[in-house]
Amino acid sequence: DADVTQTPRNRITKTGKRIMLECSQTKGHDRMYWYRQDPGLGLRLIYYSFDVKDINKGEISDGYSVSRQAQAKFSLSLESAIPNQTALYFCAAGGREGETQYFGPGTRLLVL
Amino acid sequence: DQQVKQNSPSLSVQEGRISILNCDYTNSMFDYFLWYKKYPAEGPTFLISISSIKDKNEDGRFTVFLNKSAKHLSLHIVPSQPGDSAVYFCAASGRGGGSQGNLIFGKGTKLSVKP
Repeated sequence: DADVTQTPRNRITKTGKRIMLECSQTKGHDRMYWYRQDPGLGLRLIYYSFDVKDINKGEISDGYSVSRQAQAKFSLSLESAIPNQTALYFCAAGGREGETQYFGPGTRLLVL
Repeated sequence: DQQVKQNSPSLSVQEGRISILNCDYTNSMFDYFLWYKKYPAEGPTFLISISSIKDKNEDGRFTVFLNKSAKHLSLHIVPSQPGDSAVYFCAASGRGGGSQGNLIFGKGTKLSVKP
């Protein structure tokens, strides 16, 4: 079983629409993360959470919001999607100091 | 400004030979370094890590070397296999510098191992 799951795996939406990406983890990790991957830019941190109700902005949080209402779940929302938010989105869990992060399979988002 | 740099976007190696992937960092507060491997349509998977108190860590065909004075680390894969073809990300974390232990990733190097 995968430790970190993401839904949906693929999503096409239109400019201005609100969408939510879901992430769940089964290993009880305190920390969860949302990253975005663009070609040639690597993985950039959007938001992260160290515990339930704890929310912290990452490198590129503008245009995004998150919710961590349970330890196992961390959702990412695009309030009003725009084309330059077209990217691969990865959720990760773990990463307490000195520990690795475990990534989900990713969500491919296309904003038209 | 990039704190973790992978200056080679791609690398091509013959099967059975050594693959060497390089990574440089600028933040002297980093004390933990990781390599992740990513196949298309999958999330990154952890490969190997090294603490700043060591200069080498080995796991099977994979060895990571850390040169703190040069702020440089490298991943060696010996022997390289076609299944190693993937994008490799270098990442670093540290208690200081405001990172709170979060990982800072390089842009990745695409390794192609040719049969």
